[in-house]
Amino acid sequence: NAGVTQTPKFQVLKTGQSMTLQCAQDMNHEYMSWYRQDPGMGLRLIHYSVGAGITDQGEVPNGYNVSRSTTEDFPLRLLSAAPSQTSVYFCASSYGLAGTNTGELFFGEGSRLTVL
Amino acid sequence: DAKTTQPNSMESNEEEPVHLPCNHSTISGTDYIHWYRQLPSQGPEYVIHGLTSNVNNRMASLAIAEDRKSSTLILHRATLRDAAVYYCILQNKLVFGAGTILRVKS
Repeated sequence: NAGVTQTPKFQVLKTGQSMTLQCAQDMNHEYMSWYRQDPGMGLRLIHYSVGAGITDQGEVPNGYNVSRSTTEDFPLRLLSAAPSQTSVYFCASSYGLAGTNTGELFFGEGSRLTVL
Repeated sequence: DAKTTQPNSMESNEEEPVHLPCNHSTISGTDYIHWYRQLPSQGPEYVIHGLTSNVNNRMASLAIAEDRKSSTLILHRATLRDAAVYYCILQNKLVFGAGTILRVKS
């Protein structure tokens, strides 16, 4: 199984550009989420989804959009990139609601984004 | 929101047990306690979780206080590969704090 796959692994953007970080999972997980991790800090939740067609905001949603048209995919869109969005982004999925008894999170390898 | 508090860093000798503490004094009755670890340049990986009773798996043990206001992740024999950042998180909003940096000395 591929697990959680993120693309691209590295990306450099100029301020104001837009882009989409892709996330796909092949485990038929209902729950998917996006985190960002800044140097020396823990992960902060951006957006999450409990199933196809359902999304909600996390701790730091501003500047990001998500959609969940299929169970497998959960893309993260940066509308107008800013230097403050330079970070490592992680996508995660779980069978049940994350944090519950069946909510073991599986993480992707991360996407490193630099905004100049 | 329920939060967790962990020491910034800990150090252990190889082959010795490690006890990583976590305080969660505002935990709610239905919150599961999850532990993850993050190796350098990798995404976090699941370690263990529990609700009220102590739990064991092939990676570690989780000891949960009777009042559930604290828990301890136990690595029975630390190896160099266990050097990582360890996160204790609760069900509520899945907030990852800064975690504990575990250093293992050979």
